Amino acid sequence: EAGVTQFPSHSVIEKGQTVTLRCDPISGHDNLYWYRRVMGKEIKFLLHFVKESKQDESGMPNNRFLAERTGGTYSTLKVQPAELEDSGVYFCASSYGRHTDTQYFGPGTRLTVL
Amino acid sequence: DQQVKQNSPSLSVQEGRISILNCDYTNSMFDYFLWYKKYPAEGPTFLISISSIKDKNEDGRFTVFLNKSAKHLSLHIVPSQPGDSAVYFCAASANDYKLSFGAGTTVTVRA
Repeated sequence: EAGVTQFPSHSVIEKGQTVTLRCDPISGHDNLYWYRRVMGKEIKFLLHFVKESKQDESGMPNNRFLAERTGGTYSTLKVQPAELEDSGVYFCASSYGRHTDTQYFGPGTRLTVL
Repeated sequence: DQQVKQNSPSLSVQEGRISILNCDYTNSMFDYFLWYKKYPAEGPTFLISISSIKDKNEDGRFTVFLNKSAKHLSLHIVPSQPGDSAVYFCAASANDYKLSFGAGTTVTVRA
């Protein structure tokens, strides 16, 4: 069974540019999450999809971040325009139905904003 | 505000000995606790979990202890092996899907 995949693995952009991160969850997982880890600190929740619907986006930093999950399959996270403080590692995770079901994480996308 | 804290950023232990990782939390609504392990350039992988109705859960070399009155949990690894060298994250949830993580503890197992 394929795990959670993320693309790209690394992205380096200039401040003010736009970047789109992609996540493909484990097949059959209705729940998809985005998390972010900044500079060796804690991993912070960004948002949670159930199928194509946003269930909880309380962790989204501001309106420069836009997440979508087309057809309840893969998800994208767009940052526009990127700021220096957006640098970090963005993790995607997916899980089955219950809140206690294991969240399986992808390898992450390391974003560097210069 | 950070609701899950791992106050030891690093831990060095000799192979074969016990590793004890600690985690404190502030949110009394947390009812489910997890430990994840992370190798460099990989995502966190689930290790072990415990519900708030229990005070201990064991899985092979890994045991998690929960002290609700102290809002404290710990992970014991016995015996420690070189492959256990990684970053360990404590996480918690409050009857929902959102996980709150600590900042991680880097474990180094010395041969």
